[in-house]
Amino acid sequence: GQNIDQPTEMTATEGAIVQINCTYQTSGFNGLFWYQQHAGEAPTFLSYNVLDGLEEKGRFSSFLSRSKGYSYLLLKELQMKDSASYLCAGGYSGNTPLVFGKGTRLSVIA
Amino acid sequence: DVKVTQSSRYLVKRTGEKVFLECVQDMDHENMFWYRQDPGLGLRLIYFSYDVKMKEKGDIPEGYSVSREKKERFSLILESASTNQTSMYLCASSFSGQGARGNTIYFGEGSWLTVV
Repeated sequence: GQNIDQPTEMTATEGAIVQINCTYQTSGFNGLFWYQQHAGEAPTFLSYNVLDGLEEKGRFSSFLSRSKGYSYLLLKELQMKDSASYLCAGGYSGNTPLVFGKGTRLSVIA
Repeated sequence: DVKVTQSSRYLVKRTGEKVFLECVQDMDHENMFWYRQDPGLGLRLIYFSYDVKMKEKGDIPEGYSVSREKKERFSLILESASTNQTSMYLCASSFSGQGARGNTIYFGEGSWLTVV
């Protein structure tokens, strides 16, 4: 099966920049998703990358390298409300469901 | 906006009871999914469906069944609830096909089930 790996926990300071990495298996890979999930709530869609490079969306950016099987989510100007879990998910060919990583719990501290 | 609605937010059931979790989506999505989420284990796929009356097993189908009689509705059934099924259950839906449109899934708010 396809494995999605990401760090379990990260801590960063309010106002700083944090990068959350994700690695995935490249065989049959179609695209890479990032979701945000606040405690006790459902995951919400953040970004989708299918081509190599950086996609910027306000304070959040997502990067993909298809050849390396690597992605990261970059959060700038961190705010306390960014404390959440960030889920990396890979889309694969064959009309199969997304494969989710276990999520990275980010704590933003003052 | 996509709306995925789960009928019950919080439930407490007894061991051995039959439990129904209902999910309805209003975006005419072909695909629907049931996940459970537990600390340290992430999201795990229980069952999914790509069409009415169609179902496929996910990674952890044991102890669960599903029903999809109408396109907009996907039900998760616990035939005989056990304490190890205490969890948060998330329903999700998406369009069919590849790429962003087909793969972006939208989640319901979640159902917290406690089996005592």
